[in-house]
Amino acid sequence: NAGVTQTPKFQVLKTGQSMTLQCAQDMNHNSMYWYRQDPGMGLRLIYYSASEGTTDKGEVPNGYNVSRLNKREFSLRLESAAPSQTSVYFCASSGGKVGATPLHFGNGTRLTVT
Amino acid sequence: SQKIEQNSEALNIQEGKTATLTCNYTNYSPAYLQWYRQDPGRGPVFLLLIRENEKEKRKERLKVTFDTTLKQSLFHITASQPADSATYLCAPGSGNTGKLIFGQGTTLQVKP
Repeated sequence: NAGVTQTPKFQVLKTGQSMTLQCAQDMNHNSMYWYRQDPGMGLRLIYYSASEGTTDKGEVPNGYNVSRLNKREFSLRLESAAPSQTSVYFCASSGGKVGATPLHFGNGTRLTVT
Repeated sequence: SQKIEQNSEALNIQEGKTATLTCNYTNYSPAYLQWYRQDPGRGPVFLLLIRENEKEKRKERLKVTFDTTLKQSLFHITASQPADSATYLCAPGSGNTGKLIFGQGTTLQVKP
């Protein structure tokens, strides 16, 4: 029973490099989310997908793109990484109405941009 | 804009005492409020959800209150244990938007 799986767990990039963070859930949830967590800033929503085929911006979308590949998978892409994107990235999913149902989180991807 | 405030200073208490954490919000009216626990190096884990028409909700040693007039939720852990040491996050939600916004979290340290 894996829940939400994120890959990779750790990544170091140089400024200007690109990469894609992968997220998959096995709970048949409709909604998926990408958050970043920085010291003193808490969890901030980057993008979310309320259902397969839809994506919307959250609080801090600049510098990121997302793809809802299918119901299970939601990827986050950094086209040209910047040091300000050094953070811990969490993917989450939920099975019902946002706010009214719990989010299930992965264990994060720790990204360092030098 | 919507704002969520949790005590940024760590809360240190003695084992066996009751820990009380506060979540205040402004500029919106959530229909639900969720609490999560986060351990170092791990993702947040859901603990409790309370609805606006529920003044109080309990689960084992946990109790949550929701005061929509004060725009505040209190999270209590009774008979606290060192294993309760973690960061606790609140997340008020309306249920009408596609997103859930979190507070910064309060770190609880329970000393034996």
